[in-house]
Parts: sequence; structure tokens; C-alpha cells
Amino acid sequence: QVQLVQSGAEVKKPGASVKVSCKASGYTFTSYDINWVRQATGQGLEWMGWMNPNSGNTGYAQKFQGRVTMTKNASISTAYMELTSLRSEDTAVYYCARGIGGSYYYYMDVWGKGTTVAVSS
Amino acid sequence: QSVLTQPPSASGTPGQRVTISCSGNSSNIGSNTVNWYQQLPRTAPKLLIYSDNQRPSGVPDRFSVSKSGTSASLAISGLQSEDEADYYCAAWDDSMNGVVFGGGTKLTVL
Repeated sequence: QVQLVQSGAEVKKPGASVKVSCKASGYTFTSYDINWVRQATGQGLEWMGWMNPNSGNTGYAQKFQGRVTMTKNASISTAYMELTSLRSEDTAVYYCARGIGGSYYYYMDVWGKGTTVAVSS
Repeated sequence: QSVLTQPPSASGTPGQRVTISCSGNSSNIGSNTVNWYQQLPRTAPKLLIYSDNQRPSGVPDRFSVSKSGTSASLAISGLQSEDEADYYCAAWDDSMNGVVFGGGTKLTVL
């Protein structure tokens, strides 16, 4: 079945970087976008950006421009999201999600279980 | 402050019909389709409705959506206890060149 399996929880100090992985299975990895969405405790969903695993093209939310990088290793069907200069406000659960879109429509149909990133001194 | 506006909470008794609104603007809901996600407690979000009114396989037809202009509403009929969850609307935003979410609505089944 189609699934996205994410890497385990991380604890980081302020100023450090974190790299979360998302391994796809059950479908052709290069045929669908991978999005990253985060959720702080008790808060709503916040979209961070997308990556096309075929071309490597990316698009980031303005809030994260300059701090986030989305990459992939197509040979192992895995996408990565790296966030740098971490601060306490980055403490959240980070989800990867498969994206489908075209003109006028875009949605995320399969989600990973999430990776908890805690930033604390 | 979310780009799409939802009420923070909604409630109903089993069997009732409840609606959750989602308001946007011409750059998102007004020009692109709306999606809804359901997040049960302590789980990842799940796609509930896509492309305005399409249900993925397995989603019961108790869930439906209406859309007009820059607003949309999710309706849940025959409310069940398992519907207790957070619901988020989302859409592509042409001016922000990305996905925007509503702040989420916590549905309580009384």
C-alpha cells in the first residue's frame, strides 16, 4: 500500500539544524510531489513547502525561505527536509505528505505519521 | 493568523447535521479548489474531501461540501462519535504561491 515512513524524533539545541527523512513506498516516487507541513502542540497546520522528486524543483513558504531546504534521493525513494537556525518556536511535529496538483487544484492525499522535533537548550 | 478563516469550534449531538465554514479570498478559494482534512486526536491529518467535493475511497457520503465564491462549507450529516476531530480547510493560493490552511475547527460530539 502507499505509505510515507518518516524518521524518528529529534531533540536539538537552538541554532542547530535538523534533517527529517520521508521514505515513500507503494508508488512511483518521482510521479508525485512531496510536501512538508508542521504542527506545533495545540496549534493548526502550517505548510512549509513542496518538492518535485522528478525535477528536484522546490517551492517554499515565504516564512521559511532561507532556512529550509527540501531534497531527495530518488534511488531510495526518500525525501528530506532540512531546517536550519532552529529556535524554540520550531518545536513541532513535522509531516511529509504526497501532493497532487495541476491547474486550479492541489491536494495532499497520503501523509506520514509525523516526526517530533524539539528545540531546547 | 491563518489565511483561511474557520470557526475554532463546532458541536452537535449524534445524528445531527453540523456545518463548518471556511472563508478565503480571490487568490485561494475564489480561484482554486478547496480541500478538507480530518485530524483525529494524536494522529496525522487525513484527506477528507479534495477538489471541492470529491471524496477519497472510504470516506462516507455523510461528508459533503458546498462552495460559493470565496467561501466553502463542510457538512457532516448523521453525526457519529467517531467524527470528533479537528477539521482543516486548505487551498492553493496564487498570490502566496503555496498551500494555505484554515486555523482548524475542533468538532465535539456531545
